[in-house]
Amino acid sequence: QQQVKQSPQSLIVQKGGISIINCAYENTAFDYFPWYQQFPGKGPALLIAIRPDVSEKKEGRFTISFNKSAKQFSLHIMDSQPGDSATYFCAAMRDGGSQGNLIFGKGTKLSVKP
Amino acid sequence: GAVVSQHPSRVICKSGTSVKIECRSLDFQATTMFWYRQFPKKSLMLMATSNEGSKATYEQGVEKDKFLINHASLTLSTLTVTSAHPEDSSFYICSAIRTRGNEQFFGPGTRLTVL
Repeated sequence: QQQVKQSPQSLIVQKGGISIINCAYENTAFDYFPWYQQFPGKGPALLIAIRPDVSEKKEGRFTISFNKSAKQFSLHIMDSQPGDSATYFCAAMRDGGSQGNLIFGKGTKLSVKP
Repeated sequence: GAVVSQHPSRVICKSGTSVKIECRSLDFQATTMFWYRQFPKKSLMLMATSNEGSKATYEQGVEKDKFLINHASLTLSTLTVTSAHPEDSSFYICSAIRTRGNEQFFGPGTRLTVL
């Protein structure tokens, strides 16, 4: 049973546009929601993360929106650039539980066209 | 700070041989390290959790006798794929958590190809 559902599977955005990736989770015990960026042949890198006590977190061009009641969270990339082309994974974890037991979504391949 | 390295980055081996992959936290101590496996265009699948000085905890379906994990120090964990077969070919990624913290820092991955 997939505990974190991510969509879309792939996304094509024009340079300067907004990229939006959505995730939904099932386990209400999750309380830490990170997003990772992965380039081909590289390990994932933490992009931004949020906890349920806030509804939005912004770092530069990257924003996480969090809807606790709907059990959904999304990543918005503003002013998307070709260098943002990568695979993005959302994840969820029960902080303080089995330490570091991240549950990953299936990933979204983002292509930003010049 | 918070750099995790893996060695080797790529390895090709013959079927039946064993391969060792190292994961090192370069500038912090990591009580806990994790080993993931990633198939092409797929998500990361947790294989095992490695705690310094104790036996690794394996996820369901992961053969502990095939994927040997050793976490001998606070900065080094190793994954040994024993008697490798072509179906073991994959991208193996480790991550580490600081001794006091919960953020996972990922290594660059190791591409294993078994001929």
